[in-house]
Amino acid sequence: EDKVVQSPLSLVVHEGDTVTLNCSYEVTNFRSLLWYKQEKKAPTFLFMLTSSGIEKKSGRLSSILDKKELFSILNITATQTGDSAVYLCAVAEYGNKLVFGAGTILRVKS
Amino acid sequence: DGGITQSPKYLFRKEGQNVTLSCEQNLNHDAMYWYRQDPGQGLRLIYYSQIVNDFQKGDIAEGYSVSREKKESFPLTVTSAQKNPTAFYLCASTNLDRGFIYGYTFGSGTRLTVV
Repeated sequence: EDKVVQSPLSLVVHEGDTVTLNCSYEVTNFRSLLWYKQEKKAPTFLFMLTSSGIEKKSGRLSSILDKKELFSILNITATQTGDSAVYLCAVAEYGNKLVFGAGTILRVKS
Repeated sequence: DGGITQSPKYLFRKEGQNVTLSCEQNLNHDAMYWYRQDPGQGLRLIYYSQIVNDFQKGDIAEGYSVSREKKESFPLTVTSAQKNPTAFYLCASTNLDRGFIYGYTFGSGTRLTVV
């Protein structure tokens, strides 16, 4: 059965800290891994990763994929209270749907 | 502006009633999806449809039904057979490029509460 596991399930940090969120997966016919940020309603797209070892960056956020070890990490540096959200990892297989992990709840305290 | 619209945002249902959640997109996307989100469990797939008049069950289809009569619309009915329907429901859509998904566009969700 296809599986996406995120860790930790929740995390509380102070503003300015750096956090690393983890996502491991076991799926057949892997095509890509996606990260989303969900604040209250619709998840918003952060990154799509298809190749190992190539870091994607957007401001203070970055992510990298290891297809040999079947995991990805999402880093957030110099965290701000606006980073507080649920971060979702999802894997796309060749086919028709995404498989989601349970999410990591991040709370950044001021 | 193109997007995906879910309605209503909040819905209250009495036990034993069927309710229908609306999902409409004007993105000309082929595929549409319904997910359920419970605290600590991420998103679980209920139903999906890749083409008009066709749909497939996801991981937790029991107690739900869907239709896809138009490309733009994919309503979800939560029936009285669904034992624990209180949850946040998300609709999503995407185009399929040779079977490859480039990620979803999500609606804003419907929070359903059984009273």
